Amino acid sequence: QVQLVQSGAEVKKPGASVKVSCKASGYTFTGYYMHWVRQAPGQGLEWMGWTNLNTGGTSYAQKFQGRVTMTRDTSISTAYMELSSLRSDDTAVYYCARVFYSDSRGYPTAFDYWGHGTLVTVSS
Amino acid sequence: EIVLTQSPATLSLSPGERATLSCRASQSVSSYLAWYQQKPGQAPVLLIYDASNRATGIPARFSGSGSGTDFTLTISSLEPEDFAVYYCQHRLNWPLTFGGGTRVEIK
Repeated sequence: QVQLVQSGAEVKKPGASVKVSCKASGYTFTGYYMHWVRQAPGQGLEWMGWTNLNTGGTSYAQKFQGRVTMTRDTSISTAYMELSSLRSDDTAVYYCARVFYSDSRGYPTAFDYWGHGTLVTVSS
Repeated sequence: EIVLTQSPATLSLSPGERATLSCRASQSVSSYLAWYQQKPGQAPVLLIYDASNRATGIPARFSGSGSGTDFTLTISSLEPEDFAVYYCQHRLNWPLTFGGGTRVEIK
């Protein structure tokens, strides 16, 4: 069965960086894209960007460009999301999410599997 | 950026009742809309994609409809496990965006 297992909670100081991992199993890792979505406490969902797990290509939401880096290590079926210059409003649960496609438009149809989430707390 | 507005913010209903949730887009998203359910402390779960297609394993009491700018998620008869927050999300273009959510609570 498909599983996305994320790294544990992190506490960081403002200005620091955090790197969250997402280990996939139960499917062909390089056959899919991985997206990252975050959720601030008590708030809604915010899309951050994606990694093509085959080529390593990426695309980020404009809000995060310059601060986020999404990578992958195909040898261990793991995707990573690194966010730098952390601020207090980056405090959130960060999810990795696999997507599937139902057509050839180039936009994912939906997020069909999600990691359990990683809480990142930014506090001085 | 496409803005998705969900209403109502909170829906108070009893088990067995019908729930009707709305999602309105700031511009047409054709039928490119998905719905997710999220319970406290858990990741979202895909319910519906492309406006009306149930995801694998989702019970038939969940149905989606709509196109263009107005969409509806209907739960025909609420089960105790259906009390949760529901989000819509479009896939017309980048960035992908989500609605603010509708909380379905027990009356």
